[in-house]
Amino acid sequence: AQKVTQAQTEISVVEKEDVTLDCVYETRDTTYYLFWYKQPPSGELVFLIRRNSFDEQNEISGRYSWNFQKSTSSFNFTITASQVVDSAVYFCALSASGGYQKVTFGTGTKLQVIP
Amino acid sequence: DTGVSQDPRHKITKRGQNVTFRCDPISEHNRLYWYRQTLGQGPEFLTYFQNEAQLEKSRLLSDRFSAERPKGSFSTLEIQRTEQGDSAMYLCASSQTGTGGREAFFGQGTRLTVV
Repeated sequence: AQKVTQAQTEISVVEKEDVTLDCVYETRDTTYYLFWYKQPPSGELVFLIRRNSFDEQNEISGRYSWNFQKSTSSFNFTITASQVVDSAVYFCALSASGGYQKVTFGTGTKLQVIP
Repeated sequence: DTGVSQDPRHKITKRGQNVTFRCDPISEHNRLYWYRQTLGQGPEFLTYFQNEAQLEKSRLLSDRFSAERPKGSFSTLEIQRTEQGDSAMYLCASSQTGTGGREAFFGQGTRLTVV
């Protein structure tokens, strides 16, 4: 069985602060894929990143960065110099096949960036 | 707008009534997914299609739920004899196989309220 835990239910930061969203996962599969999605108030899920289990390199995309550590089964997401537009619910997700039919989402972390 | 579109955005219905939602995927995408998201939770997979074939259904999809994708284009999700527990956001997503299928694009969802 797959499980994704996002222990932080809500986080509030002041604009320009850095913030890290935690994600811990459980799976018995040796090959799996991890995702992060952003869900703004409008409702649609916006894809941020997909990472497979064989690629432990950290990734940076603008103000976003991801730290994947297989040893601790974690895939944390950091936003540097947060902005009000970053306010949203962020979901971490796991899929053994890489396909979206078997993806397990976490419960999400609501991020509020205060101006 | 060439994204995934869902209609209606909001639906309020009385318990026991039937409802139908529509999803128009990105035109070149051959895979279409339906998810259900309840308040404070991440999306849960319901079913998916590859072209017009429904390839997998979650155990969450009771007999009152049926989904179709005629001609492999738009899809409909029907809920018969709605119950209060059906109140949720119903999300549709689409992706394309054969090009890596790295990401699925989500619609803004249909929020169902059963009163």
